Amino acid sequence: KNEVEQSPQNLTAQEGEFITINCSYSVGISALHWLQQHPGGGIVSLFMLSSGKKKHGRLIATINIQEKHSSLHITASHPRDSAVYICADGQAGTALIFGKGTTLSVSS
Amino acid sequence: EAQVTQNPRYLITVTGKKLTVTCSQNMNHEYMSWYRQDPGLGLRQIYYSMNVEVTDKGDVPEGYKVSRKEKRNFPLILESPSPNQTSLYFCASSFRGASPLHFGNGTRLTVT
Repeated sequence: KNEVEQSPQNLTAQEGEFITINCSYSVGISALHWLQQHPGGGIVSLFMLSSGKKKHGRLIATINIQEKHSSLHITASHPRDSAVYICADGQAGTALIFGKGTTLSVSS
Repeated sequence: EAQVTQNPRYLITVTGKKLTVTCSQNMNHEYMSWYRQDPGLGLRQIYYSMNVEVTDKGDVPEGYKVSRKEKRNFPLILESPSPNQTSLYFCASSFRGASPLHFGNGTRLTVT
C-alpha cells in the first residue's frame, strides 16, 4: 500500500530562519504535490514535481526519485508562512495519497 | 477568473436526509476529485474523475456517490448521511491527472 510520511509533524521557527519539511513516499510516483493550507482557509497548490527542483520566490521544492523523498524549503521565513504544509503522492490515473501535514508556526 | 466553486460553504443536516454538494470549474480541466479532511487523519480522497463519464474510487468512497455528466461539474452525493460523515470537504480540479491542483474553498458538513 502506498504511504506518504511527512516530518516533522509540527515546526516552530523564528522569523528569518531556514525551514525544511520532509516527505517520503513508498511507491514510485508520477507527480509529487506540495500544498499549503492557512488556518481556517482553503488549500493552495505550491508545487507539483516529478524530478529535480522547483523554485518560487522563497520556496524551493526538491525531489530524489531514487530515495523516494521530497523536501520543501522556505528561505527567510516570515510569520505569513505559518500554515499547514501537505505533500501528496499522485500517480496519473490513480488516487492521490496525502501526508498528514506539517504545521509551521513562524513568530516575529 | 479561473476557479473551482463549491456550494454550499456550510451545511448542517440530519442523519438520513439526502444531500448534494456541488463543484464546478471553469478551466476546462479533465481531472476532478473530492476529498475530506478530518483532524488527525488529514486529507483523504473520496472519488476522482479523469474525464466525463469516467469516475473511480479513492481511499474512502463508502457512503458517497459522484457523477460526471459534464466536464465542468462533479457533484458529491450523500444518499443517507451519517454523523461519521461530518467533515470538511474539498473539491479540486487539474488539467490532467498529474497536473497542479486547483481547490475549491471547502464545504463544512455537520450531520446530526
